[in-house]
Amino acid sequence: NAGVTQTPKFQVLKTGQSMTLQCAQDMNHNSMYWYRQDPGMGLRLIYYSASEGTTDKGEVPNGYNVSRLNKREFSLRLESAAPSQTSVYFCASSLRGGDSETQYFGPGTRLLVL
Amino acid sequence: RKEVEQDPGPFNVPEGATVAFNCTYSNSASQSFFWYRQDCRKEPKLLMSVYSSGNEDGRFTAQLNRASQYISLLIRDSKLSDSATYLCVVNKGGYSSASKIIFGSGTRLSIRP
Repeated sequence: NAGVTQTPKFQVLKTGQSMTLQCAQDMNHNSMYWYRQDPGMGLRLIYYSASEGTTDKGEVPNGYNVSRLNKREFSLRLESAAPSQTSVYFCASSLRGGDSETQYFGPGTRLLVL
Repeated sequence: RKEVEQDPGPFNVPEGATVAFNCTYSNSASQSFFWYRQDCRKEPKLLMSVYSSGNEDGRFTAQLNRASQYISLLIRDSKLSDSATYLCVVNKGGYSSASKIIFGSGTRLSIRP
């Protein structure tokens, strides 16, 4: 099993450009998440999908959109990138999104917006 | 005040030493607690869950103090490979608990030979 995979690993954008970050998991998990991690701050939840067909906002959703394409895939889109979106983005999944479940993370995407 | 607070460190200790970190949380209704480990430029990975009665996994011991709202992680006989950032994670629980997971900003640990 590959676990959680993310593409691309690195990306440089200019302000105003758009891009989609891809995430896929092969663990048959129902819940998937997108986080961003900035220096000195914990991971912050952008959006999550408790199950296929549903998506909900997390703590910092502004400037992002998501699509839960199917059970395996959950993408994050930046419509008009801003320098404040420079960050490391992690996708994660868990079996059912329950309180005590482990989250499994992808390797991350490092995004620089100039 | 942050919902989950950790001392950022770095903690710089010699190999073989015992080191302990604390993490405080603000929501007394929090349900689940975890320690994750994150190596430099890598993704977080679960180290251990923290149970009310305390739990041990080899050289690692985690404890929960609900009255004082903190969790702790103790590492005995530290190894060079323990060098990493340790993230405290709290789940506030409740409806749609997927959105109630709060990560601390992490404590950096560096083990020196």
